[in-house]
Amino acid sequence: AQSVTQLDSHVSVSEGTPVLLRCNYSSSYSPSLFWYVQHPNKGLQLLLKYTSAATLVKGINGFEAEFKKSETSFHLTKPSAHMSDAAEYFCVVSDPPGMRFGAGTRLTVKP
Amino acid sequence: GAGVSQTPSNKVTEKGKYVELRCDPISGHTALYWYRQSLGQGPEFLIYFQGTGAADDSGLPNDRFFAVRPEGSVSTLKIQRTERGDSAVYLCASSLTGRPTQETQYFGPGTRLLVL
Repeated sequence: AQSVTQLDSHVSVSEGTPVLLRCNYSSSYSPSLFWYVQHPNKGLQLLLKYTSAATLVKGINGFEAEFKKSETSFHLTKPSAHMSDAAEYFCVVSDPPGMRFGAGTRLTVKP
Repeated sequence: GAGVSQTPSNKVTEKGKYVELRCDPISGHTALYWYRQSLGQGPEFLIYFQGTGAADDSGLPNDRFFAVRPEGSVSTLKIQRTERGDSAVYLCASSLTGRPTQETQYFGPGTRLLVL
């Protein structure tokens, strides 16, 4: 079965400092992995996805993630946090017919 | 129409009542998905439609839950004899052809259901 584990339920950073949101996955085959962001009272928005092409995936708003098969990880990073990045972030693995979501990481950005 | 829309945005009902939640997918998307997001958790898969048929309903928690998509576009999630444990945000998503290993699923804003 496919699964993802988000290692931190809450991450707090200062504006302008790097962001690291950690995700480990478990998959019986080569997975497709996604990061989604959910702002309060807004729908889930895709940040980026990995589908077995380049292991370093660039997404929207300056986010990127690196697929590391040896570590079964797909951590999300951003060099410099912005106040507007404050939201809930979900690591997701394809698990046909749907997708399987992690429990989420709440990112707080302090001024 | 831009994205996926869902109505109502909020629904309050009493235990034992029947509710219907509506999803309007992106035009031209053949695949439609329903998920349920309980407080403090990630969304969980409920059901998947490919066109008009429910291709996979393995995520529905019990037979009080049912969904239809009669014309291959709008879908309705129906919950009978609601229970307090059904309180959650119900999310709808659509994708172009239904190949979840590669395709992006586009989510609606959700319907927040509260069962008193």
